[in-house]
Amino acid sequence: AQTVTQSQPEMSVQEAETVTLSCTYDTSENNYYLFWYKQPPSRQMILVIRQEAYKQQNATENRFSVNFQKAAKSFSLKISDSQLGDTAMYFCAFMKPPFNTDKLIFGTGTRLQVFP
Amino acid sequence: EAGVAQSPRYKIIEKRQSVAFWCNPISGHATLYWYQQILGQGPKLLIQFQNNGVVDDSQLPKDRFSAERLKGVDSTLKIQPAKLEDSAVYLCASSLGRQNRLGKNTEAFFGQGTRLTVV
Repeated sequence: AQTVTQSQPEMSVQEAETVTLSCTYDTSENNYYLFWYKQPPSRQMILVIRQEAYKQQNATENRFSVNFQKAAKSFSLKISDSQLGDTAMYFCAFMKPPFNTDKLIFGTGTRLQVFP
Repeated sequence: EAGVAQSPRYKIIEKRQSVAFWCNPISGHATLYWYQQILGQGPKLLIQFQNNGVVDDSQLPKDRFSAERLKGVDSTLKIQPAKLEDSAVYLCASSLGRQNRLGKNTEAFFGQGTRLTVV
């Protein structure tokens, strides 16, 4: 069975600094998707970034980038120039094939606090 | 475009009572999911619909939970009777349910959830 592990329950960072959130996963699949979702106090899960396992290039979205290490089964999220609005729970998630079932498996989350 | 709508936002019930949650997915989205998120944990899939058919309900406690998606659009999730351990946020999400023209798997969009407290 696939599992997703986030070993950092809480992280904090000062505004404008950089922070990295860790995620590891376990799977025997060769092709899959990995995601980082943000959940602010409003509770709505918002997709931050997505990585396709067959792509070696790390995904980037503005201030958000990932370090995808397929052999190590590691998928960390780097947030550059942190902003107060980045304060939220962050969940790492895994999707296995067949992709038409779109089933997401989530980690336990990391609570990120950005301080002024 | 309008997002995924859920109601109510909050619900408090006594154990052994029944409760129902409603979800209206994004128009045109074939796939609908219900997730349970217990405090301090990540969301766990309860049930997944493709149009009005069930794709996966392997983690749905069928002795007390039920869900339906009539006409392949709106969905309701019911708990009867509720237990204390059912206290959680219930998230609904939807997706197109197929790859887009770029061959990319489509994104799941989430509603704001219903926070259920069972006392």
